[in-house]
Amino acid sequence: TQLLEQSPQFLSIQEGENLTVYCNSSSVFSSLQWYRQEPGEGPVLLVTVVTGGEVKKLKRLTFQFGDARKDSSLHITAAQPGDTGLYLCAGVRIGTYKYIFGTGTRLKVLA
Amino acid sequence: NAGVMQNPRHLVRRRGQEARLRCSPMKGHSHVYWYRQLPEEGLKFMVYLQKENIIDESGMPKERFSAEFPKEGPSILRIQQVVRGDSAAYFCASSPNWVTGPGDEQFFGPGTRLTVL
Repeated sequence: TQLLEQSPQFLSIQEGENLTVYCNSSSVFSSLQWYRQEPGEGPVLLVTVVTGGEVKKLKRLTFQFGDARKDSSLHITAAQPGDTGLYLCAGVRIGTYKYIFGTGTRLKVLA
Repeated sequence: NAGVMQNPRHLVRRRGQEARLRCSPMKGHSHVYWYRQLPEEGLKFMVYLQKENIIDESGMPKERFSAEFPKEGPSILRIQQVVRGDSAAYFCASSPNWVTGPGDEQFFGPGTRLTVL
């Protein structure tokens, strides 16, 4: 059973387009993180969200945590080829101490 | 992921040999996690360790796999009698405390890519 489902799994878009990646679960999380991973490297932490409804911005990236803390979204504005990579969400369920990773969204931005 | 060191970065083993993967956490971090990643997939939790203690090994196969995090030195993930299905990227992450929220995030190393011939 996959506790964190990400969609879409694959996304190929043109430079300058906008996109949204979703991370959904039926479980409640005390915190949720977004990572980006490039080929041959480890995941790099982009953001942590902890409060239901919280919105965080990182340049052209906007992250939102659902009101019920069961889901999150990542929106990229005016995507660039440098945004290409595997985007992973990871959450810590309430009362636990370990991360659960989502299935991943593989983004390719074409110049 | 600056600070978490893993070595070797690439490891090639023949079936039946042993693989030893090392992870040195960030300075000041006493919690280490190991994950496995197959091509085109996400990360699968294997084991969570604190210094000298295994906290949770529920994601680790019961046979052939073991992990340790001694008082001194790096954390070691050991795979005995490797099989082709063990080929994967193995990532280590460290955190300063129990993972409960901001400030306790995990930081990942660059990974060890194991290839079993």
